[in-house]
Order: sequence, then C-alpha cells, then structure tokens
Amino acid sequence: DAKTTQPPSMDCAEGRAANLPCNHSTISGNEYVYWYRQIHSQGPQYIIHGLKNNETNEMASLIITEDRKSSTLILPHATLRDTAVYYCIVSQALTGGFKTIFGAGTRLFVKA
Amino acid sequence: EPEVTQTPSHQVTQMGQEVILRCVPISNHLYFYWYRQILGQKVEFLVSFYNNEISEKSEIFDDQFSVERPDGSNFTLKIRSTKLEDSAMYFCASSGDRGNYNEQFFGPGTRLTVL
Repeated sequence: DAKTTQPPSMDCAEGRAANLPCNHSTISGNEYVYWYRQIHSQGPQYIIHGLKNNETNEMASLIITEDRKSSTLILPHATLRDTAVYYCIVSQALTGGFKTIFGAGTRLFVKA
Repeated sequence: EPEVTQTPSHQVTQMGQEVILRCVPISNHLYFYWYRQILGQKVEFLVSFYNNEISEKSEIFDDQFSVERPDGSNFTLKIRSTKLEDSAMYFCASSGDRGNYNEQFFGPGTRLTVL
C-alpha cells in the first residue's frame, strides 16, 4: 500500500539539522509529497507538503529532487521535542477526499 | 488556533457493546476522516466523508462501522458490536478545500479498550 520508503530510525544531536530522506520512485505527476509526524501516541501533525518545488515553512524545509523520485525533510535546528515518528506520504486529490496511507515512518531520536 | 477535538479521551467497553466516538472538526473544514492505530502499529485509514456521504473507505471499515455528521458540527464513528481487536486509538481528522492538495488536522484521539 505505502508507496514510500524511509529508514526505520535516525539519530540527531540537539541543535543540529535533522535530514530525513524518503524514496517515492513510483510517484505520479499529480501526487503531492506530504510529511506528518507523530509525537508519542498523539494524533499525527501535518508538517509540510510539496509537488515539485522546494518548500519551507516555520517548521521545516522540504527538498524534492528534480525527477521527484525522492525528497528530504529538513528540521533546521532539532530540539528534544522533535523526537517523533516522521511519515512521508504521497497522495493525490480524489473526488471527495484523500485516502492518506501511513507507512511505518522514521523514528527520529534527538539527543542532548 | 482552531483544533480538532475528540471525546471521550478514553472509552472502556465490553465486547459486543456499541460505542460512539465523537469528534468536532475545525469549523470551516469540508472533509472528515477516521483513522485507527493499534498499540505499536501504524496509523490505518478507515474512512473519509465529504458532502454528507462516505467518499473512501478501507477494508477495515466493514458493516460494523458507520459514520455520521448529525448536526453540522459533530462527526461520529459508531462501532455496532465491538470486538477485542477493535481496541485501538481512534483519530479523527479534518481538512479544508484546497483544490489539489490537502493537509489534514488530527485530533488527540480516543483510546478504545474492549474487554
């Protein structure tokens, strides 16, 4: 079901940039790349999305390769509170809604 | 900042009983969703709801499940006859009309325990 591949876990030092990769080699032209995260057992939290251009918001930056087959989520200055599972999801608009399929994600550990 | 709310935070029920999980989506949103997460497993899509009808559902969402938006503000998930394997966190989400893309806002979840 999941059309993305992510490493199961990563470590990052507090204050450093966290770079989380995602492969989506079968992405189609009208599919967006979305990133969500889930801190402990809270509800998933939307981070950022993109189609083909790089995107930045107050939480993160998203770098999408020119062929769109992979992307990287960048948390520029990771804090302990960024420890979470990060999900990379590709999906397209469907009439009446979006069937968002979560994979296993990457468990990011931010260490002091 | 507007947020999705869910009640109750924890529901304990006996096997075979009906439960109703409640959600209040963000007020100007048009798309509504339910997901579940069994302890230690991934988040699973159950159903999406738009324009007062189901638009997508997964294989998990069988005849035991139903959704309703009874009054224009609440969005409910009913499980008719609960089974032990229905024990999970249930998350409601909503999203606005953004055309081709869609960011979903999730509630804090309801932990359902079936005994």
